[in-house]
Amino acid sequence: QKEVEQNSGPLSVPEGAIASLNCTYSDRGSQSFFWYRQYSGKSPELIMFIYSNGDKEDGRFTAQLNKASQYVSLLIRDSQPSDSATYLCAVDPSNTGKLIFGQGTTLQVKP
Amino acid sequence: DVKVTQSSRYLVKRTGEKVFLECVQDMDHENMFWYRQDPGLGLRLIYFSYDVKMKEKGDIPEGYSVSREKKERFSLILESASTNQTSMYLCASSTPGAGGKTQYFGPGTRLLVL
Repeated sequence: QKEVEQNSGPLSVPEGAIASLNCTYSDRGSQSFFWYRQYSGKSPELIMFIYSNGDKEDGRFTAQLNKASQYVSLLIRDSQPSDSATYLCAVDPSNTGKLIFGQGTTLQVKP
Repeated sequence: DVKVTQSSRYLVKRTGEKVFLECVQDMDHENMFWYRQDPGLGLRLIYFSYDVKMKEKGDIPEGYSVSREKKERFSLILESASTNQTSMYLCASSTPGAGGKTQYFGPGTRLLVL
């Protein structure tokens, strides 16, 4: 079993809809979770991170953690075509800064 | 503002050449990482370093070495480039302190080995 798993997609949503991206992780002791966005040909950029103690909202983005089921979600409200990218989930299972990345989910927002 | 720079955006080398990829960060971060990214394989960790002169192997270190003589600089070395090392190489840095150990990435170097 991979340590961090994501559905590769593509996930296609219409403009203005809510996009929901999920990521499962295998190490129950993980405490830090990260979402990165990567445009084609570019490097990953951080969207947000959350700790194991709670969810987080930043503008149109919300990260939610379900510790019991070991998955973390990223919700994008009012999706825009500019949100079309690959979204990488990362987990720090050992709390050392060595992140384990999922393979990413490609999101397509159609005008 | 966070800044990680890489020496080249695009690089073309020949099989057997020794290749140096440089990464510099200006955030005084202790941790630095080298990844390669290939379609369908995601980000794979090659080497990382938690401090000057320290290095640890990642998941795919074969054919690579690293050097960290100064805190801000982390170099990836391909001892004898091969065509299967054609890839996008990404450098990242982070701090072990507060902030969730977020990794900040450089722009990447797209390497083509002929």
